[in-house]
Amino acid sequence: QVQLQESGPGLVKPSETLSLTCNVSGYYISSGYYWGWIRQPPGKGLEWIGNVFRSGSTTYNPSLESRLTISVDTSKNQFSLRLRSATATDTAIYYCARLQYSYGYAFDFWGQGTPVIVSS
Amino acid sequence: DIQMTQSPSSLSASVGDTITITCQASQDIGNYLNWYQQKPGQAPKLLIYDASNLKTGVPSRFSGSGSGTDFTFTISSLQPEDVATYSCQQYSSLLPITFGGGTKVEIK
Repeated sequence: QVQLQESGPGLVKPSETLSLTCNVSGYYISSGYYWGWIRQPPGKGLEWIGNVFRSGSTTYNPSLESRLTISVDTSKNQFSLRLRSATATDTAIYYCARLQYSYGYAFDFWGQGTPVIVSS
Repeated sequence: DIQMTQSPSSLSASVGDTITITCQASQDIGNYLNWYQQKPGQAPKLLIYDASNLKTGVPSRFSGSGSGTDFTFTISSLQPEDVATYSCQQYSSLLPITFGGGTKVEIK
């Protein structure tokens, strides 16, 4: 069974960098598919942040692209998110997920989510 | 960006009822639409892909239909364990992938 687990600071100061890592088990990232980040601000809907492929190639939400870096480390079977210049609007639950393309382009396995608060 | 407008934002129905949620895309997305269920405190779970295909293991009381800009998600015979927020997601344009605002389903 594919499992994903987010980790990282739950509190980030404004203007600092929000950094999260997703550890994957039960599937090798190097085997394929895309690996993505999605967030959910309090009381709001889901927002796609971006994806990374095993090669390191990325696709980002244009609304976040200028502040965003997503990277992959296949040797550790994990991928990471860095969002620079954080503001209060980045406060959300952050999920990592697998984006498979065998049946549509759908996120079929998700982490449990990690809350991040941006506040001084 | 392709905007996904979901309605209603919330609904309350009785056990055994049939409920319907709609999702409207701001432009033609073919059948490139998925539906997710998110129970309180949990991550979303994929239920339906490509507008109408039930993911393996998902109960048959869940169904989806539609193409182009108008899509429907139905739960026939609503069960207590179906209390959740349901969201659509389009992937016709992968830049960006977008979700609907969600529909919160409660039991009367």
